[in-house]
Amino acid sequence: AQSVSQHNHHVILSEAASLELGCNYSYGGTVNLFWYVQYPGQHLQLLLKYFSGDPLVKGIKGFEAEFIKSKFSFNLRKPSVQWSDTAEYFCAVRSYTGFQKLVFGTGTRLLVSP
Amino acid sequence: SAVISQKPSRDICQRGTSLTIQCQVDSQVTMMFWYRQQPGQSLTLIATANQGSEATYESGFVIDKFPISRPNLTFSTLTVSNMSPEDSSIYLCSILSPDGVPYEQYFGPGTRLTVT
Repeated sequence: AQSVSQHNHHVILSEAASLELGCNYSYGGTVNLFWYVQYPGQHLQLLLKYFSGDPLVKGIKGFEAEFIKSKFSFNLRKPSVQWSDTAEYFCAVRSYTGFQKLVFGTGTRLLVSP
Repeated sequence: SAVISQKPSRDICQRGTSLTIQCQVDSQVTMMFWYRQQPGQSLTLIATANQGSEATYESGFVIDKFPISRPNLTFSTLTVSNMSPEDSSIYLCSILSPDGVPYEQYFGPGTRLTVT
């Protein structure tokens, strides 16, 4: 069965620090990859997605993620975080086969201190 | 994108009772999903609801506990039956993008359920 692992459950950074959140998945077939963000008190929003093509994808608010097929990874990065990036980040994977089921990682809580 | 609303936004219920959560979308969508987010955990798919057919439940979830209705292309309900404190969670409605963008999935604001 598909599974998604996010290695960091809690991350604390100062403003302007660089961010990298790890995401690994276990599925051998073709996949769609997503990062979602949930700001405090708000609902889940799509941050960025990878379907095919350039493995480096750029999303909203300066975030980017790199798909490394050989490592089954889709890490999220941002060169310089802001206080407003404080949120919970979820990696999610959907396989091309089956019922288009979206499987989520356990999430990473990011706290950015001003 | 689409606007997804859920009612109620939160509720506190007593053990043994049932709660029906409504999900309304401002566009017609074929596939709707119901997720559960237990405290401190990630999102888990409960079931997929297509209009005109029975919902498809994931392993660990059964229709008797979580009956789902999907009467049309813009509306669905999830009932949490015979509740226990373990059912305390956020329940989220989700859809695939109605705009032709392939495979993007959007989420409602969630219903925060507390069972006492």
